[in-house]
Amino acid sequence: NAGVTQTPKFRILKIGQSMTLQCTQDMNHNYMYWYRQDPGMGLKLIYYSVGAGITDKGEVPNGYNVSRSTTEDFPLRLELAAPSQTSVYFCASSPGTSGRGSQETQYFGPGTRLLVL
Amino acid sequence: LAKTTQPISMDSYEGQEVNITCSHNNIATNDYITWYQQFPSQGPRFIIQGYKTKVTNEVASLFIPADRKSSTLSLPRVSLSDTAVYYCLVGGAGSYQLTFGKGTKLSVIP
Repeated sequence: NAGVTQTPKFRILKIGQSMTLQCTQDMNHNYMYWYRQDPGMGLKLIYYSVGAGITDKGEVPNGYNVSRSTTEDFPLRLELAAPSQTSVYFCASSPGTSGRGSQETQYFGPGTRLLVL
Repeated sequence: LAKTTQPISMDSYEGQEVNITCSHNNIATNDYITWYQQFPSQGPRFIIQGYKTKVTNEVASLFIPADRKSSTLSLPRVSLSDTAVYYCLVGGAGSYQLTFGKGTKLSVIP
């Protein structure tokens, strides 16, 4: 049971380039989340999904897109990379079976460190 | 979402008990209080969650007074490996959004 896995671990992008951050969970969780964490700061929610085919915006969605075609995968797409998107990105999942929304225990991946130059 | 306030940093010697207090004056009736731990270069990890009074697990204890406007995370006999950032979060059952503040950076000194 690998939990939540993320690829790549580290990436350098040039301004204007695009990329997809991959996230996979093998716990059959319904809910999945994408956060970003800037240096010395807490995590901010970008997008979340409550099930396959259902996604919604979080606190800071601008510049990102997501899709959820399967229960296991929740990729995050950056279309036109900007220096402001330099950050560490964390994917998380939770069971989504208790009716307690974000108060369920969230399981986080190891993160993807992104540098936009 | 209820706003939380916690100390930016704390220092403790190995073997001591550490108490980190979080204030959440605007906590709603159906909100739970949750604490996460984050080591450098890792994602946050769930530590403990409670609604009222006291909750204890193998890692920590959580004390919540009757008015629920604050909570205290207690780490017994800390070791160097407890050096991390600790986040206090308060969220509603009807929300999918967790708000992570800056957390409390705990440094354990040998």
